[in-house]
Amino acid sequence: EAGVTQSPTHLIKTRGQQATLRCSPISGHTSVYWYQQALGLGLQFLLWYDEGEERNRGNFPPRFSGRQFPNYSSELNVNALELEDSALYLCASSQGQNNSPLHFGNGTRLTVT
Amino acid sequence: QKEVEQNSGPLSVPEGAIASLNCTYSDRGSQSFFWYRQYSGKSPELIMFIYSNGDKEDGRFTAQLNKASQYVSLLIRDSQPSDSATYLCASPDQGGKLIFGQGTELSVKP
Repeated sequence: EAGVTQSPTHLIKTRGQQATLRCSPISGHTSVYWYQQALGLGLQFLLWYDEGEERNRGNFPPRFSGRQFPNYSSELNVNALELEDSALYLCASSQGQNNSPLHFGNGTRLTVT
Repeated sequence: QKEVEQNSGPLSVPEGAIASLNCTYSDRGSQSFFWYRQYSGKSPELIMFIYSNGDKEDGRFTAQLNKASQYVSLLIRDSQPSDSATYLCASPDQGGKLIFGQGTELSVKP
């Protein structure tokens, strides 16, 4: 069974640009989550999508947005990049049921210069 | 705001010893808990989950849940240098997301 896949692995952008990160969940999983992990820090919840709808978002500005497609894959967009957006962005998927564990992809390392 | 607390460590144990990692949580209504292992620069990997009071064993790993004390632990028997990583405790909140502790760094010395 293929795991959660994320692309690209690494992304280098300059301040003010836009970044697009992509995620494909495990087959059969309907929920996709996005987390940010800055260097040396914990996982910060960004967004949760289920059945194509945004269900919850963390304490991040509106320039962090995303969507979930009919095939349950997802995209995270970060507009007007700032230096502090440099981090590992992790996508996870679950079956969408209460208490289902999250399974993480390998992440996208975003560097903003 | 639901909280999950862990001792950040580092916790250092000799090879072959038992490593004990601990986690406390604030929401008495929490039903399930997950332990993830994260190697430096890598993504978290699910290693154990527990839903009910008591112990759950899987190979060298044992998860323990005590709902009365709001306490979760992970025991790693016969610790190996390859177990050296950060261990994250997590629990779902009502908003559907997982709340993570800050993680405990484990170092297993040969």
